Amino acid sequence: QVQLRESGPGLVKPSQTLSLTCTVSGGSISSGSYYWSWIRQPAGKGLEWIGRIYTSGSTNYNPSLKSRVTISVDTSKNQFSLKLSSVTAADTAVYYCVRETVMGGHFDYWGQGTLVTVSS
Amino acid sequence: QSVLTQPPSVSGAPGQRVTISCTGSSSNIGAGYDVHWYQQLPGTAPKLLIYGNSNRPSGVPDRFSGSKSGTSASLAITGLQAEDEADYYCQSYDSSLSGYVFGTGTKVAVL
Repeated sequence: QVQLRESGPGLVKPSQTLSLTCTVSGGSISSGSYYWSWIRQPAGKGLEWIGRIYTSGSTNYNPSLKSRVTISVDTSKNQFSLKLSSVTAADTAVYYCVRETVMGGHFDYWGQGTLVTVSS
Repeated sequence: QSVLTQPPSVSGAPGQRVTISCTGSSSNIGAGYDVHWYQQLPGTAPKLLIYGNSNRPSGVPDRFSGSKSGTSASLAITGLQAEDEADYYCQSYDSSLSGYVFGTGTKVAVL
C-alpha cells in the first residue's frame, strides 16, 4: 500500500519561502507510471493544483503559481519537494502531496496533508 | 481558479438518490478530457471516488456512479447513507490553463 507523508514547517513568515517534503513509502518514486504532485486547500475552500514532477525531473506548474514554484525529486530518498517563494497570507492552506497516474490523469493516493500558515 | 462549476450543496434522505453536476467548457470537459471525482470527509484528505468519467477504484461501493456528456459531468449517489455526508469535487484538465482544474465543490447532506 503506497503511503505519502508531508513534512515541513507549519509557520512561514510573509515574503519567505515555503518548503515541504513528501516521503513516499510502499512504492518507488522512480516508477514510470506516475507523476508526483502538490495540491493545496485553503481553510473552507476548494482544491488547487500546484504542479507535478516526473521521475526524470520533468515538471509542470500551475500557470498562476509558476513564477514562484519549484518542485524537485530525490529518487535516492524516495522523496519529492515543494518550494514556494515570496509567500503571503493567501498561501495559507493545507498542502497535500499526491500521486497521479500517467495514463489516467487522476490522483489516486493522497498524503494526510499539512497545514502551512503564513504569518509574522 | 475554479473553472468547473458545481452546486454548493445537495441533500437527500437516507436511501434516496442524489446527483451532483460539474459544468465545464470547451477547453476542459468539452475538449474530451476525462473527469474524475473525489470525496472529502470532514477533516480528511480527498479520496478518489470515480476516475475516467465512470470507473470506480477497488473498494468504492457501486452506489457511486459517474457520467459525462458534452461540457458537463455528473456524479450520482444511490441509496444515500449517513456516511456519504462529505464534500465532493470533480477534476479535469484544462488546455487553456495548461493544467489540472477542480470543481467548486459540493457538500452533500443526509437529512
